[in-house]
Amino acid sequence: EAGVTQFPSHSVIEKGQTVTLRCDPISGHDNLYWYRRVMGKEIKFLLHFVKESKQDESGMPNNRFLAERTGGTYSTLKVQPAELEDSGVYFCASKQAAGNTIYFGEGSWLTVV
Amino acid sequence: AQSVTQLDSQVPVFEEAPVELRCNYSSSVSVYLFWYVQYPNQGLQLLLKYLSGSTLVKSINGFEAEFNKSQTSFHLRKPSVHISDTAEYFCAVSTSGGYNKLIFGAGTRLAVHP
Repeated sequence: EAGVTQFPSHSVIEKGQTVTLRCDPISGHDNLYWYRRVMGKEIKFLLHFVKESKQDESGMPNNRFLAERTGGTYSTLKVQPAELEDSGVYFCASKQAAGNTIYFGEGSWLTVV
Repeated sequence: AQSVTQLDSQVPVFEEAPVELRCNYSSSVSVYLFWYVQYPNQGLQLLLKYLSGSTLVKSINGFEAEFNKSQTSFHLRKPSVHISDTAEYFCAVSTSGGYNKLIFGAGTRLAVHP
């Protein structure tokens, strides 16, 4: 069974450009999460989907970040326009509806120059 | 609100020595506790978890952690480390009754030297 997959694994963009990160959760997992770790800081929660609905988006830093999960399958996280402080690792994770373990992907490393 | 403090940002240790990675948490409600590990160039993997029952939990690769409610701690230990244990370790909590948001500590880099 495939784990949580994220694309791209690495991305380097210029300040002001747009980047879209994609996450494919484990098949059948209703819960999907985005987390972020900026350099030297802790891993921070961004938002949580249950199927296609946003359950909690309290961690989204500002309106330059837009997350979607159309159809309740894969999710995208768009940063537009990107700023230098957006650099970091973006982790996606998923969980079964009745499960207690959150499974993480390998992360998308974003560098804004 | 919950918070997690990992007291050591880096822990160097020689191979076959014992190690303890410290984790303290703060919460006004019951919590579940987790340790995740990130090996170089890999994603986050669940190492072990405490949900209820026995306060001592173990992983398949020899790590163990003990939930201490009075000291609000969940320290990770291994009696004899290997080079392959070199990684970054993250302690995390979530509120009980809903495993829906993990709060992470800042991480501890374990470097095992020969």
